[in-house]
Amino acid sequence: QQPVQSPQAVILREGEDAVINCSSSKALYSVHWYRQKHGEAPIFLMILLKGGEQKGHDKISASFNEKKQQSSLYLTASQLSYSGTYFCGTRGNQFYFGTGTSLTVIP
Amino acid sequence: DGGITQSPKYLFRKEGQNVTLSCEQNLNHDAMYWYRQDPGQGLRLIYYSQIVNDFQKGDIAEGYSVSREKKESFPLTVTSAQKNPTAFYLCASSMLGLGMGQPQHFGDGTRLSIL
Repeated sequence: QQPVQSPQAVILREGEDAVINCSSSKALYSVHWYRQKHGEAPIFLMILLKGGEQKGHDKISASFNEKKQQSSLYLTASQLSYSGTYFCGTRGNQFYFGTGTSLTVIP
Repeated sequence: DGGITQSPKYLFRKEGQNVTLSCEQNLNHDAMYWYRQDPGQGLRLIYYSQIVNDFQKGDIAEGYSVSREKKESFPLTVTSAQKNPTAFYLCASSMLGLGMGQPQHFGDGTRLSIL
């Protein structure tokens, strides 16, 4: 039941945009997004609780398509601080984190 | 400041030995979780607890045990039955349980290695 993320890895130059996708074979009841820097704890970014919901703060936003069982995370005008591994997470009969997307922003 | 404290930061286990990882939170959260993370991998749920004196197995509970005697504390014991314990262990908590859409707050982790 682990959600699948794509792409697995992406390298961006500062100022470029990126989209990270999270797909589940099971129904998605809510979607969490976290960012983890190497060797550190994951940091919560946002939760989307219902289909059609979109959220964002600063230049990071996300959408949730309940019918397609997908969520996408949008990073615009990327900054060096955006580098890290991004995980989606979703509730099934327990909580499942996605496979992860490694994002590297270079000057 | 409220948060989650995991200790120790690094731990070494000898063959056949049980070791216990500590997790304490002062966020007054009801739910607590233990995850295992292998290099380059995502987080996999070992155990979770939504209230005191109750806990449920995650996907990879074999070789691990937990207790939840106090709301603030959720220690994880890695037993000798866990044959491949080398990993990064993360403890998390949330205000309510799994179904309530609350964010999880993580500790800084414990890195366990086999001697």
